[in-house]
Amino acid sequence: DAGVTQSPTHLIKTRGQQVTLRCSPKSGHDTVSWYQQALGQGPQFIFQYYEEEERQRGNFPDRFSGHQFPNYSSELNVNALLLGDSALYLCASTRQGGTEAFFGQGTRLTVV
Amino acid sequence: GESVGLHLPTLSVQEGDNSIINCAYSNSASDYFIWYKQESGKGPQFIIDIRSNMDKRQGQRVTVLLNKTVKHLSLQIAATQPGDSAVYFCAEKPPSGTYKYIFGTGTRLKVLA
Repeated sequence: DAGVTQSPTHLIKTRGQQVTLRCSPKSGHDTVSWYQQALGQGPQFIFQYYEEEERQRGNFPDRFSGHQFPNYSSELNVNALLLGDSALYLCASTRQGGTEAFFGQGTRLTVV
Repeated sequence: GESVGLHLPTLSVQEGDNSIINCAYSNSASDYFIWYKQESGKGPQFIIDIRSNMDKRQGQRVTVLLNKTVKHLSLQIAATQPGDSAVYFCAEKPPSGTYKYIFGTGTRLKVLA
């Protein structure tokens, strides 16, 4: 049983560019959350998707947007990249009504 | 504001000893708590969870204690092994109606041979 998978694993972008990160949830899970983890910090909630809609959003600007597809996979898009967007981006999936969140290995984004 | 903090940023223990990692949370209404282990270059891995209606929960070599009076969580690891070396995060889930987990900064556990 595949767990949460994310792609790509590493990415380098230039300031001002746009980036798309992808996540496939664990089998049987229908809810996807995205987190940003800066070096030496705990993950910070970006937003959560359920039934192809953003259900809750953390304190992140509109440059951060997402999408969920009918197969429950999800994308995180970040526009107008800033140096401060450099971080590990984590995807977590849960079953609707469940509480235990399973995380992927993350995408390491470096903005130069 | 919301926060989940940890008392010790780094904890070093001898192999075979017991480890205790502490965490303070700020939202007294949070109803669910999780401990995660994160190894270098990997995503957080679920260790154990506890609901707010419990004081203690045991897993394999791990025990989580919840003290709601002082808003404190602890993770106890018995017979610590080299493979336990990692960063440990506690996370809280605010009450029903919110879907995010609030993580602390983390504690690095170093197991000494």
